[in-house]
Amino acid sequence: TQLLEQSPQFLSIQEGENLTVYCNSSSVFSSLQWYRQEPGEGPVLLVTVVTGGEVKKLKRLTFQFGDARKDSSLHITAAQPGDTGLYLCAGGGGGSNYKLTFGKGTLLTVNP
Amino acid sequence: NAGVTQTPKFQVLKTGQSMTLQCAQDMNHEYMSWYRQDPGMGLRLIHYSVGAGITDQGEVPNGYNVSRSTTEDFPLRLLSAAPSQTSVYFCASSRGGGPHNEQFFGPGTRLTVL
Repeated sequence: TQLLEQSPQFLSIQEGENLTVYCNSSSVFSSLQWYRQEPGEGPVLLVTVVTGGEVKKLKRLTFQFGDARKDSSLHITAAQPGDTGLYLCAGGGGGSNYKLTFGKGTLLTVNP
Repeated sequence: NAGVTQTPKFQVLKTGQSMTLQCAQDMNHEYMSWYRQDPGMGLRLIHYSVGAGITDQGEVPNGYNVSRSTTEDFPLRLLSAAPSQTSVYFCASSRGGGPHNEQFFGPGTRLTVL
């Protein structure tokens, strides 16, 4: 069974601060996705990374896939209250393996 | 497009009762799946389907049944509800198989079993 560990589990910061959340595994993933989930709603995809060492930027969010494809990070610059939510990473196996493995999530609160 | 819809939004059951959680998507996606989300446990895959008439078990299938008679619908049946099945249930669909494809999630059904 492939496991994904996310850290920290909870993060509370002030508006304008920077932060990084991590997603780590001992297994290799063919790709890794990051989702954000707001209270009372389903998760929404932010990004998919597929190449070891890949870096993707989405406005103030920067995503990195580790060289060995076992870990990923999400960095948010100048956090805003609208960034508040549960951030989930999800990893997929190789080939046509449909099953995604989700981490337990990082609950981010950005205080105004 | 409505995307992925789920009904009901909230449900309270007594132990031993049965019910069906409904899920529908209007994006003509072949792949659909059911997850449960519990505090501190993340999302866990219950069952999934790669097309009409084809279903398979996920990580936590016990106590649940699924069927896929059409591309659009993927209902989840609780045969005899137990308090351990208290959870938030999410249905998701994706265009294709494999982990590169975006999963589109419904708004969830919040189930309490007394």
